[in-house]
Amino acid sequence: AQSVAQPEDQVNVAEGNPLTVKCTYSVSGNPYLFWYVQYPNRGLQFLLKYITGDNLVKGSYGFEAEFNKSQTSFHLKKPSALVSDSALYFCAVRGRLGTYKYIFGTGTRLKVLA
Amino acid sequence: DAGVIQSPRHEVTEMGQEVTLRCKPISGHDYLFWYRQTMMRGLELLIYFNNNVPIDDSGMPEDRFSAKMPNASFSTLKIQPSEPRDSAVYFCASSLGQNSPLHFGNGTRLTVT
Repeated sequence: AQSVAQPEDQVNVAEGNPLTVKCTYSVSGNPYLFWYVQYPNRGLQFLLKYITGDNLVKGSYGFEAEFNKSQTSFHLKKPSALVSDSALYFCAVRGRLGTYKYIFGTGTRLKVLA
Repeated sequence: DAGVIQSPRHEVTEMGQEVTLRCKPISGHDYLFWYRQTMMRGLELLIYFNNNVPIDDSGMPEDRFSAKMPNASFSTLKIQPSEPRDSAVYFCASSLGQNSPLHFGNGTRLTVT
């Protein structure tokens, strides 16, 4: 069965500092991996995805994520956090075989402190 | 591009009433998903369609829930009868093909009293 774990409910970081939001996954075979961001009273917005190729994926708003197959992780990173990055972040996984179902993690609330 | 459009944004109803949530996907997208978001269970996939055909409805919680997609530009999620535990934010999302990301609407916040 597919699953996604986001071990931290909340991450606090000072503005200008690097940030990391953690995600680990479990899926049969090679996964498709995604990060989404949700602002209050809005739907989820796509940030970046890993399908194949380079393990370091760059996405919107200066975010990037590193796929690590041996650790089954896909952590979201940004070199310098902005207050406007404060939001709820979701990791999602989809298997390559079988049904086309995205499984989302429980979300991590990022707070960037001025 | 207007994005995925959901209506209504808010719905307050009494237990036992029928509720219909509506979704207009992005034009040309061939996959449509209905998700439910609650504090307790996070984001749950209820059902998804491909080319208007329901593919997987294993996430639909009970027979009280039904979803239809009569054409490529419209889908409904119906709850009949509604119960207080159905209170949640319901999201519709669409995508183009299997490798593209999901595009979410802004959701319908349902409150059943």
